[in-house]
Amino acid sequence: SQKIEQNSEALNIQEGKTATLTCNYTNYSPAYLQWYRQDPGRGPVFLLLIRENEKEKRKERLKVTFDTTLKQSLFHITASQPADSATYLCALDRGDMRFGAGTRLTVKP
Amino acid sequence: NAGVTQTPKFRVLKTGQSMTLLCAQDMNHEYMYWYRQDPGMGLRLIHYSVGEGTTAKGEVPDGYNVSRLKKQNFLLGLESAAPSQTSVYFCASSYSFGNEQFFGPGTRLTVL
Repeated sequence: SQKIEQNSEALNIQEGKTATLTCNYTNYSPAYLQWYRQDPGRGPVFLLLIRENEKEKRKERLKVTFDTTLKQSLFHITASQPADSATYLCALDRGDMRFGAGTRLTVKP
Repeated sequence: NAGVTQTPKFRVLKTGQSMTLLCAQDMNHEYMYWYRQDPGMGLRLIHYSVGEGTTAKGEVPDGYNVSRLKKQNFLLGLESAAPSQTSVYFCASSYSFGNEQFFGPGTRLTVL
């Protein structure tokens, strides 16, 4: 069966450091992979999308990589700030979107 | 623009009751989606629609029905609510396949 795993439920880092979140998947061949941010009590907000034929995408302090051989995506937040604290979701898209359970990131001042 | 709106925000039902959740979008998007989110489970797709008058099953469709009579609205129905349907329900819309999805604020449903 299809499975999407995000590396850990929670990740704590110090302000200014780089946060790296992992998304692994099995038995799936997504055409696109997306990352979303979700704050408590709110709906997810889109951050980045990467296509299956792309290796890396950047947007300001965010970077995502996509390795279809390893079936893995890495999501990086550089120079992290307390305001980056949230749950981050990866999603695989081949017409019907499948989400991972999310990683709760806490950035401490 | 309001984006994606959901009605109601909260609802408590008794087992066996029925209800309809309404999702509306003002971005002229073709695609609309209904998800449920449970602790530790992430978002799971219930049903989706790729255009007015069309619907398709997602990952967890049992116990739910949907309709897309107008492009801007996507309705999710529970005919006979069960405690297992206690969850937070999110609606989303997108321009097409492979585009970002815009989410509504969610509906918190409790079935007693």
